[in-house]
Amino acid sequence: NAGVTQTPKFQVLKTGQSMTLQCAQDMNHEYMSWYRQDPGMGLRLIHYSVGAGITDQGEVPNGYNVSRSTTEDFPLRLLSAAPSQTSVYFCASSGPGQGLYNEQFFGPGTRLTVL
Amino acid sequence: QQQVKQSPQSLIVQKGGISIINCAYENTAFDYFPWYQQFPGKGPALLIAIRPDVSEKKEGRFTISFNKSAKQFSLHIMDSQPGDSATYFCAASMDTRDDKIIFGKGTRLHILP
Repeated sequence: NAGVTQTPKFQVLKTGQSMTLQCAQDMNHEYMSWYRQDPGMGLRLIHYSVGAGITDQGEVPNGYNVSRSTTEDFPLRLLSAAPSQTSVYFCASSGPGQGLYNEQFFGPGTRLTVL
Repeated sequence: QQQVKQSPQSLIVQKGGISIINCAYENTAFDYFPWYQQFPGKGPALLIAIRPDVSEKKEGRFTISFNKSAKQFSLHIMDSQPGDSATYFCAASMDTRDDKIIFGKGTRLHILP
């Protein structure tokens, strides 16, 4: 199993550009989520999904969109990038039958810089 | 009520010493309390977790102490090693289909060689 994979690893955008951060998992997990990590702020939940076709907002959803058309994939879209979205983005997944209930498996992260 | 408060923000410990990180929560519906460990450039990974029906859980040099009445829990790292240098996050969640986990803000731990 590859676990949770994220692409790209690094990205530089100009203000106003759009892009999609990719996330995929091969553990058949129902739950997937996106976090951003900023110094001193910990991990803040952006959006999450409890299954294909179902998404919901987290703590900091503004400026981001998500969709969940398959169990495996959960892309995060930045519609019009702003410098405030400079951060490290982590995708995570969890599901029953994989280790401890509620154990979140994190991807390696995408480091995004918006100029 | 959904917050998990973590302290200290950073911690420096001598090799061989005991590292202690504390967390507090308000929501009594939380019933799962994991700790995640994150090395630089990597995603967080589950280190150890506890449910409120026990007061302590030990795995090797890592121990969670849980105080239900005080709504506090802590991570103790015994015989701390330079390889333990990382950021540690406490977290809390409820046993629902919605697997949302609330994370503390993290503690940067540095073990001096």
